[in-house]
Amino acid sequence: GQQVMQIPQYQHVQEGEDFTTYCNSSTTLSNIQWYKQRPGGHPVFLIQLVKSGEVKKQKRLTFQFGEAKKNSSLHITATQTTDVGTYFCAGPGAGTASKLTFGTGTRLQVTL
Amino acid sequence: DGGITQSPKYLFRKEGQNVTLSCEQNLNHDAMYWYRQDPGQGLRLIYYSQIVNDFQKGDIAEGYSVSREKKESFPLTVTSAQKNPTAFYLCASSTLTSRAFNEQFFGPGTRLTVL
Repeated sequence: GQQVMQIPQYQHVQEGEDFTTYCNSSTTLSNIQWYKQRPGGHPVFLIQLVKSGEVKKQKRLTFQFGEAKKNSSLHITATQTTDVGTYFCAGPGAGTASKLTFGTGTRLQVTL
Repeated sequence: DGGITQSPKYLFRKEGQNVTLSCEQNLNHDAMYWYRQDPGQGLRLIYYSQIVNDFQKGDIAEGYSVSREKKESFPLTVTSAQKNPTAFYLCASSTLTSRAFNEQFFGPGTRLTVL
């Protein structure tokens, strides 16, 4: 079945350092979504990418969708303590846009 | 206030007992989902429903059951057949359109502990 892997599993950075998480799918994706889950909280939708090679920015966050539409990345510039949480990518299940397969997640810890 | 509610936030049950987790949404979304999350793990799909009175198994449906009698409600029953039920359970909903994507909105979750 479809698998969506993320690396790294965990990263600890000092505030102000950059952070990147990578998402790789075993199948081509029609689109990819990113979610953030704060500790003890629930996932919250961040963004969706649809086009091959698409790049979108949200303030310090930059999202990219690979040319082959099988991988994606999230880059945070100059991390802040408010960035702490787990970041998940998610892609549609095979044959349906209503079911998502979530990646394994990358947990980000930011310290002063 | 529009959103998804799950109750209770924490639930304790004895081994061998069935337990039902509630999920209600007032977003008028057609699709609803149940996920299980274990510590340090991603989200695994248990069941999902795209329309009232219809639902499909996800990746880990064994030991769980659901119903969708109303558009707003999608309760999940964790049965005694589920071998390791202690986990964080998340309910989500989304619209169903012809667009390429449908973002999912999550409830606050129920943390189930089976003693």
